[in-house]
Amino acid sequence: AQTVTQSQPEMSVQEAETVTLSCTYDTSESDYYLFWYKQPPSRQMILVIRQEAYKQQNATENRFSVNFQKAAKSFSLKISDSQLGDAAMYFCAYRGSGNTPLVFGKGTRLSVIA
Amino acid sequence: GAVVSQHPSRVICKSGTSVKIECRSLDFQATTMFWYRQFPKQSLMLMATSNEGSKATYEQGVEKDKFLINHASLTLSTLTVTSAHPEDSSFYICSARDQRWAYQPQHFGDGTRLSIL
Repeated sequence: AQTVTQSQPEMSVQEAETVTLSCTYDTSESDYYLFWYKQPPSRQMILVIRQEAYKQQNATENRFSVNFQKAAKSFSLKISDSQLGDAAMYFCAYRGSGNTPLVFGKGTRLSVIA
Repeated sequence: GAVVSQHPSRVICKSGTSVKIECRSLDFQATTMFWYRQFPKQSLMLMATSNEGSKATYEQGVEKDKFLINHASLTLSTLTVTSAHPEDSSFYICSARDQRWAYQPQHFGDGTRLSIL
């Protein structure tokens, strides 16, 4: 079974600084998708960024980028120029090929310090 | 705008009541939807996979007679918590994706906060 590990329960960053959230996963599949979701206090699940495993290029969405290391099964999220609104719970998630559910990590709570 | 709609957002009811939660895909058809449960300060836990026109697939440890799932159409799945008790109080959230394209992500409803008194 696939597993997703987020080893940082909590992280903090100064406003305007950069922070990296770690995520590793375990799978025997070759075709899969990786995601980072943000969950603010409202508890909405907001897609931050996604990566297809077959793509070598790291995904980027504005201030958010990933470092995808397929051989190491690592998928970290970098947030640049951190803003107060970035404070939230961040979940790393894995989805295999086909119509399968997401497998979530335990999450990292990010605090942004003004 | 939202592509998955979930209602109600908040329910407070007495013990013994049955509660129905609806999950609709707005812009696409979904033969499969997923139901998750989230306890405070924890991750999302998959409860079941809802399959249009057939029985739901439940995860180990989830009581199918307690959590009834019906997926009667390609855009609607319902989760009914039967004879709810205080231990069923939780945050329930559904998700679905447009399966026509493999790269499409899961979209989530806004969740339902269920409180059983």
